[in-house]
Amino acid sequence: ETGVTQSPTHLIKTRGQQVTLRCSSQSGHNTVSWYQQALGQGPQFIFQYYREEENGRGNFPPRFSGLQFPNYSSELNVNALELDDSALYLCASSARQQGAYNEQFFGPGTRLTVL
Amino acid sequence: AQSVTQLGSHVSVSEGALVLLRCNYSSSVPPYLFWYVQYPNQGLQLLLKYTSAATLVKGINGFEAEFKKSETSFHLTKPSAHMSDAAEYFCAVRGGSQGNLIFGKGTKLSVKP
Repeated sequence: ETGVTQSPTHLIKTRGQQVTLRCSSQSGHNTVSWYQQALGQGPQFIFQYYREEENGRGNFPPRFSGLQFPNYSSELNVNALELDDSALYLCASSARQQGAYNEQFFGPGTRLTVL
Repeated sequence: AQSVTQLGSHVSVSEGALVLLRCNYSSSVPPYLFWYVQYPNQGLQLLLKYTSAATLVKGINGFEAEFKKSETSFHLTKPSAHMSDAAEYFCAVRGGSQGNLIFGKGTKLSVKP
């Protein structure tokens, strides 16, 4: 069974640029959530995708957007990068089931540095 | 709204000593609570979870946590620390209907030889 994978591992961008981060969900999982973890902080929920649609969003501006593909993999896009976007971006997948708790499994993260 | 507060950003113990990491929660509904561990430059690994079954929850690597509704607490313990336990630990509560997690700020555990 393959776990959650993310690419790239590290990324350096300059302010104002755009970035795309990728996530492959664990086998059998149909839901992907993205989190931002700033240095010294706990992860913060960005949004979740289920059946290729956004299914809930945290307190992040519209320049944070995402996609989910038919194979359940996902992308996180960030436009007009700001210095404060420097963080570890974590992807988590889960198997959504009616009436059951859906445990989230996390990938290793992508470290984004904005200069 | 749900939230968690972790008391102590840094805890240091000697190898073999008791580990106690504190977490208090706030929730308007019966909470689902979690402890995750994060090793340097890695993602999050689930240690244990409370989902309204037994109040004493046993997890991996010898960790356990007790849900105390009267104290709104979910503290993480391990009877004897090992050097390999040095990491950052996050307490989390299940948030909205989509099941997103709300994390505390984390507690960094150091283990001295």
